[in-house]
Parts: sequence; structure tokens; C-alpha cells
Amino acid sequence: EDQVTQSPEALRLQEGESSSLNCSYTVSGLRGLFWYRQDPGKGPEFLFTLYSAGEEKEKERLKATLTKKESFLHITAPKPEDSATYLCAVQANSNYQLIWGAGTKLIIKP
Amino acid sequence: NAGVTQTPKFQVLKTGQSMTLQCAQDMNHNSMYWYRQDPGMGLRLIYYSASEGTTDKGEVPNGYNVSRLNKREFSLRLESAAPSQTSVYFCASSKEEPGNSPLHFGNGTRLTVT
Repeated sequence: EDQVTQSPEALRLQEGESSSLNCSYTVSGLRGLFWYRQDPGKGPEFLFTLYSAGEEKEKERLKATLTKKESFLHITAPKPEDSATYLCAVQANSNYQLIWGAGTKLIIKP
Repeated sequence: NAGVTQTPKFQVLKTGQSMTLQCAQDMNHNSMYWYRQDPGMGLRLIYYSASEGTTDKGEVPNGYNVSRLNKREFSLRLESAAPSQTSVYFCASSKEEPGNSPLHFGNGTRLTVT
């Protein structure tokens, strides 16, 4: 069964303290992996798409990487405005639709 | 641009009541989706419409119906609400299928069924 697991469920960091969020997946052939950011009371907002192992994408303090079993969202020197829930989703070759993880709630304290 | 607009933002229903959640997008996207989001779970697809005039079931379609009224609008109907349908409902749209183009989400409808 296709599955996406995100860890940790919640992560509290001090401003400037770098860390990584994990998204592990089991799918029958990966077509693409997607990262979204969700602020409280809002819908998810697209961040990155990764298609193949070894691929990396960057945006400001965020960098997403992909292996054959998992993806990491690295956050470097975070600021309080980076606080949000980060969602990971995958698309399998066998299925048109996305399979979503439950998210990691990131809290950055000033 | 407004993007994806959902109405209402909040709704409280009693068991057995019906209601329609409205969604409209102004990005000329072909595909539209209805998801529900529950605590501790990933987004789950209820129904989607790959193009105007077509609709298909997602992972959790039971208890729901949809209408793709035109290219802009995609509504979700609960015919007889149940407490298990208490959730946050998100509408989304994309230019192409979800793997080829990002999803754009509305800000959700928070539904409570008592």
C-alpha cells in the first residue's frame, strides 16, 4: 500500500537553529514528491516538486532533497515567520492523485 | 487575483441536515479537487474533476456528491450530514494533473456536525 509518513509531528526550534524535517514514503514507483506549507487557518501553499533521487530544490532558507526512500526539508537559520505546518505528498506512477503525509508542525521561537 | 475562493468559511449542521460547499477559481485551471483534513491525518481526496464536465471519486467519496458547474466552479454537497463529516474541507485547483502542476488551495470551510 502506498504510504507517506512525516516526522517529527512537531518541532520547536530557536530562531537561527537549523534542522531538518523528514518525509518517508513507500510507493509503487515514484512519479513526484511535493512539499507544501500550511499556515493556521489557511490552505496549503506549494513549495517544491522533486522527481528523482539526488534532486535538490532551494527557496530562501529551505532546501528539499530526495532519495529513493525519503525526502528531507532542511531549514537553515530559521526565522519566526517560518513557523507553519509543512506537508509532504507523493504521486505514484500507478495513481493520478496525491498521497499526503500528516505534516510536521514547525515552531520557531524568537 | 483571488485564486481559489470557498464559501462559507464556517458552518454548523445538525445530523441529517444538508448543505452545499461552494468553490470557485479564477486561474482558468482545468482540474479541481475537494479534500478533507482531519487532525493527525493527511489530506484525503473526496472527489475531483479533471476537466469541465467530468467528475471522479477519490479516496473517501461516501456521503458526498459534487457538481462541476462550469470551468470555474466545483461544489460539494452533503445530503445528510453525519458527525463523522466534521472536518475542514479544502477546495483546490491545478492547471494540469497534480503531478505536472502545483495545487492551489482555498482557505477552507470548517464544518461541525452535531
